[in-house]
Amino acid sequence: GDSVTQMEGPVTLSEEAFLTINCTYTATGYPSLFWYVQYPGEGLQLLLKATKADDKGSNKGFEATYRKETTSFHLEKGSVQVSDSAVYFCALPNAGGTSYGKLTFGQGTILTVHP
Amino acid sequence: EAQVTQNPRYLITVTGKKLTVTCSQNMNHEYMSWYRQDPGLGLRQIYYSMNVEVTDKGDVPEGYKVSRKEKRNFPLILESPSPNQTSLYFCASSSSGGRGVAFFGQGTRLTVV
Repeated sequence: GDSVTQMEGPVTLSEEAFLTINCTYTATGYPSLFWYVQYPGEGLQLLLKATKADDKGSNKGFEATYRKETTSFHLEKGSVQVSDSAVYFCALPNAGGTSYGKLTFGQGTILTVHP
Repeated sequence: EAQVTQNPRYLITVTGKKLTVTCSQNMNHEYMSWYRQDPGLGLRQIYYSMNVEVTDKGDVPEGYKVSRKEKRNFPLILESPSPNQTSLYFCASSSSGGRGVAFFGQGTRLTVV
């Protein structure tokens, strides 16, 4: 079945540091890929997405490129801010069958950014 | 404003006392799901619904029930809660055949003692 693996956390950085959160996936075919973010006390919201191989999703300074050859969708940001402190989830939608409508999530990576 | 609304946000209950967590969306989405979030496990799907009166089990359905009598509402029912159901619960809705972007509620933190 489909699966998503994220790098172990938590991740602690100083403001303006470079961020990478690794995400690899196993799936049938070539699904869309998502990064969701969960700020403290809130629900998940879409951060960025890519719908096909070699697509680059970007939003709020974050970027991720859909790499079919390495089945990866790593999240990057060149200069993090304290306001980026949150939990980040990599996710992919299931292709159908009995899992129709389901998102498969990675374990989540807790990011803390210090001033 | 497009949103998914869950209630309550926080709930402490005792083992065996039936409870319902409500979920409502205003985007006319066909697809709705319930997830639970536990540390180190990410989010796991409990139940989903593809449309009114169409529901099915997700990965962790034991101990839960759902219903979909109206398109906008998708309540989660715990008939006899147990401590292992202590968790953070999220309702989500999506269009695009269920494979599009999902919109999430703010979550319900449930504690069963």
